[in-house]
Amino acid sequence: KAGVTQTPRYLIKTRGQQVTLSCSPISGHRSVSWYQQTPGQGLQFLFEYFSETQRNKGNFPGRFSGRQFSNSRSEMNVSTLELGDSALYLCASRLITGRSSPLHFGNGTRLTVT
Amino acid sequence: SQELEQSPQSLIVQEGKNLTINCTSSKTLYGLYWYKQKYGEGLIFLMMLQKGGEEKSHEKITAKLDEKKQQSSLHITASQPSHAGIYLCGADMDNYGQNFVFGPGTRLSVLP
Repeated sequence: KAGVTQTPRYLIKTRGQQVTLSCSPISGHRSVSWYQQTPGQGLQFLFEYFSETQRNKGNFPGRFSGRQFSNSRSEMNVSTLELGDSALYLCASRLITGRSSPLHFGNGTRLTVT
Repeated sequence: SQELEQSPQSLIVQEGKNLTINCTSSKTLYGLYWYKQKYGEGLIFLMMLQKGGEEKSHEKITAKLDEKKQQSSLHITASQPSHAGIYLCGADMDNYGQNFVFGPGTRLSVLP
């Protein structure tokens, strides 16, 4: 079974631009979560989608948005990029939401904002 | 303060030595997960613990859950350079899977 796939692997953007990251979950997984990881802040939760609906949202500005498609694939978008948005963005999928179901992570997208 | 605390923050050991990493919750745990991360890569799922007293092993890594203390420990026996990385604990903080949190991580270095 293929793991969680994130594209692109690396991205360089300039301030003010927008970016879209993509995540394909493990087949059969309907829950997709996004995280931002930086050396200073660690792993921070962005949002979770389940059956095309946003179930949870972390404490990030409205510039960060996401969506999930009917095939469970998910995208996240960051508009008006700032230097502080430089980070590793991780996507994770889960078979079910609730206990007894670990998150499985992709290898991430490394975003650099210049 | 964080809902999940990990200790130590970082660890440097000589190859062949045993080590333990702890994860403590300030609230009730509904499932405890251990992950490993190599720099710049995604998190690799290691083990899931659900019941108090539960213990699981994978190769030379053993994890235990003490439900009364809301604490889990990860023990590595005879460490190898391949064990180096960041170890993170994660937990379901409710019974509905709507509050999953991570600890800050423990950075492990293994000297050959």
